[in-house]
Amino acid sequence: DSGVTQTPKHLITATGQRVTLRCSPRSGDLSVYWYQQSLDQGLQFLIQYYNGEERAKGNILERFSAQQFPDLHSELNLSSLELGDSALYFCASSPRPGAASEQYFGPGTRLTVT
Amino acid sequence: GENVEQHPSTLSVQEGDSAVIKCTYSDSASNYFPWYKQELGKRPQLIIDIRSNVGEKKDQRIAVTLNKTAKHFSLHITETQPEDSAVYFCAASMNDMRFGAGTRLTVKP
Repeated sequence: DSGVTQTPKHLITATGQRVTLRCSPRSGDLSVYWYQQSLDQGLQFLIQYYNGEERAKGNILERFSAQQFPDLHSELNLSSLELGDSALYFCASSPRPGAASEQYFGPGTRLTVT
Repeated sequence: GENVEQHPSTLSVQEGDSAVIKCTYSDSASNYFPWYKQELGKRPQLIIDIRSNVGEKKDQRIAVTLNKTAKHFSLHITETQPEDSAVYFCAASMNDMRFGAGTRLTVKP
């Protein structure tokens, strides 16, 4: 157990809908990262927050957005969902602001868009 | 941005043999190189990492080497065991973490 929690574990929704994924980092970690992993694919970096502020942006679609709240939990919002958005979404946390440090992954949310 | 290539995509070895996975990166400013192991349906777990001021690091049966000049780094697993079977990801990082496409390692008993 990495100490990072994610909810829900599974999510099934229809195309065009909007969903929110939630992540709570390890105690004391200020950085949260979001990744997308499609079937049999690698990990695509989406976005990073550090202490409430956006710090780095990767291959995140305009239909996706995220935020980190004062209690440091983070939410990833996915809207106008398409079939291709079906994937495992992981969040990870680390204690430092830079990505050049160990990251601890949560168990993931499996999103299925039908 | 950073681009990380990983080879091979699949690797099958006999129990007890060694396994080597190689990665190259494009951004010479990258300074942190972790390796993650992901079992089926599970989260990626950090198994070893190396920073750019170090050429080699070892942890029991696992070692990582880094060649900054050539911009490549490798994961070495010795005395492989069936429980080493998983997908292994390399990554390179400076401002954000970029992952390789993964290597599916199968260790046959």
